[in-house]
Amino acid sequence: QKEVEQNSGPLSVPEGAIASLNCTYSDRVSQSFFWYRQYSGKSPELIMSIYSNGDKEDGRFTAQLNKASQYVSLLIRDSQPSDSATYLCAVRGDNYGQNFVFGPGTRLSVLP
Amino acid sequence: KAGVTQTPRYLIKTRGQQVTLSCSPISGHRSVSWYQQTPGQGLQFLFEYFSETQRNKGNFPGRFSGRQFSNSRSEMNVSTLELGDSALYLCASSVQGEGAEAFFGQGTRLTVV
Repeated sequence: QKEVEQNSGPLSVPEGAIASLNCTYSDRVSQSFFWYRQYSGKSPELIMSIYSNGDKEDGRFTAQLNKASQYVSLLIRDSQPSDSATYLCAVRGDNYGQNFVFGPGTRLSVLP
Repeated sequence: KAGVTQTPRYLIKTRGQQVTLSCSPISGHRSVSWYQQTPGQGLQFLFEYFSETQRNKGNFPGRFSGRQFSNSRSEMNVSTLELGDSALYLCASSVQGEGAEAFFGQGTRLTVV
């Protein structure tokens, strides 16, 4: 059974700080990793995808992947109150399918 | 470019009834997957369709079924509704290919009373 784990939080950071969100996964052969943001009452929206070891940056967001440690993280720089949401880590269960395994999500609260 | 469209947005059904939810993917996307989201279980994969064929299936009872049409639109059906089926049902679409990203619709909130 593939598993994806995240700290459920809540993670509270002051405005302007760096928020660090972590995710571990159990299936060593997983190749594709995704971060989604979900506001309360809304559907998940894709933030970033990452497939190779190392860092991938997009604006204030940086995804980091370490396949040897089966670990993926998301850094949010200059956090804003509008970043307050639940962040979901997703791992593709099949490289050609869309059967993602989602973590439980980390609730982030950015305090003004 | 229009996003993933799900209808209806909200539904209230009675135990024992059946329900059909609809999903229109982003134009050009041929893969459609369905997920159930509940506070207790989080986001769980139901099934995926590609080219009118079910490609993957999650661990849900046979009361949950789906299909995909030639225009890539998809429907999911839940028969003999139970109280525990109350959830947000999400549809996601993507292009075919390794590493393809999936984009979610706004979801259908189903309440079973």
